Amino acid sequence: GESVGLHLPTLSVQEGDNSIINCAYSNSASDYFIWYKQESGKGPQFIIDIRSNMDKRQGQRVTVLLNKTVKHLSLQIAATQPGDSAVYFCAERPNTGNQFYFGTGTSLTVIP
Amino acid sequence: GAVVSQHPSWVICKSGTSVKIECRSLDFQATTMFWYRQFPKQSLMLMATSNEGSKATYEQGVEKDKFLINHASLTLSTLTVTSAHPEDSSFYICSASLSYNEQFFGPGTRLTVL
Repeated sequence: GESVGLHLPTLSVQEGDNSIINCAYSNSASDYFIWYKQESGKGPQFIIDIRSNMDKRQGQRVTVLLNKTVKHLSLQIAATQPGDSAVYFCAERPNTGNQFYFGTGTSLTVIP
Repeated sequence: GAVVSQHPSWVICKSGTSVKIECRSLDFQATTMFWYRQFPKQSLMLMATSNEGSKATYEQGVEKDKFLINHASLTLSTLTVTSAHPEDSSFYICSASLSYNEQFFGPGTRLTVL
């Protein structure tokens, strides 16, 4: 697989601040990237995606940035709220198939 | 729309027994389903790709005889953990593909092997 199982890094932010979560992907042949949010004991929930021919995409309160040169993705969450507390994963899809491979993930805690 | 369910949501079994987990796409047909395993505080690891009517494709390092996958219809895939042992205890998550770029995830099944 593309990802490595490591313990989750953590990020704590104050409510109302902006959050930036980073992800390094491994396969330069990946052409599609997705950010997921996972709450404890649940399956991943789609947040936002981006294709490799783009370097930025905005959604509601979220922005994804893609830097293909260094194989780096970031997720920016504006005005972070307590409900944003969760684990966030990036996933990549190599252009050789339709499998998704997940990154390490980051545990986000929002402090009220 | 695009809801995926899993059954059971949790299961406890004795070492040496087999456990079957079902993954269903409730409101769409999925020619492809995927099975992931997630250990505590770790990422989702893709185990296998399940295509309706054909044999599953397993990721490197995943034992196909240990984790039997059947995708008998466009709305149902099953994962059977055979002769389960405590190290198989994990959170098993399936997803169903609606299109090339879309996967919808189930809520997961917590397996505990005693």
